[in-house]
Amino acid sequence: NAGVTQTPKFQVLKTGQSMTLQCAQDMNHEYMSWYRQDPGMGLRLIHYSVGAGITDQGEVPNGYNVSRSTTEDFPLRLLSAAPSQTSVYFCASSYSLTSVSNYGYTFGSGTRLTVV
Amino acid sequence: QKEVEQDPGPLSVPEGAIVSLNCTYSNSAFQYFMWYRQYSRKGPELLMYTYSSGNKEDGRFTAQVDKSSKYISLFIRDSQPSDSATYLCAMRLSSGGGADGLTFGKGTHLIIQP
Repeated sequence: NAGVTQTPKFQVLKTGQSMTLQCAQDMNHEYMSWYRQDPGMGLRLIHYSVGAGITDQGEVPNGYNVSRSTTEDFPLRLLSAAPSQTSVYFCASSYSLTSVSNYGYTFGSGTRLTVV
Repeated sequence: QKEVEQDPGPLSVPEGAIVSLNCTYSNSAFQYFMWYRQYSRKGPELLMYTYSSGNKEDGRFTAQVDKSSKYISLFIRDSQPSDSATYLCAMRLSSGGGADGLTFGKGTHLIIQP
């Protein structure tokens, strides 16, 4: 049982490049979400999904796209990287609030992204 | 005003002390409350989760929620140097309405001195 797996762990991009951060979970969780963590700002929600085919925006969605074609995978796409997107990105997954009593999100180990 | 307020610290206490960590929030729609521990350069790890007002205990950790005051706390008894980390409070909306995801405080950096 691997939990939430994020790849890559580290990435350096040039301004204007695009890339996809991968996230996969093997816990059969319905809900998944992406966060970025910046010094002094805490963790902020980028996008979330409540099931396959359903996604919505969080607090800081600009510059990012997501899709959810399967329950297991929730990739995050940077369309045209900017230095302001330098951050640590975390993916997380959870059961739906109506299905079980454990409503905490399980987090991956993160991707450290630098945009130069 | 940010939806969730948390003192960033650092908070430094001697080994064996009782630690109190707190968050306040402004959105009464938050119904689920969590505490995460994050070590340097690692992902957040779920410690405690609560739903109703009151106390919930798990080993050396006690989570407390007061919805009327919009105030949550985490107590750590018999603190150990290995408890040194950043502690994040997080909140989740009720199950109706379709919105989801967590809203975090900025985290409190805790240092337990041997």
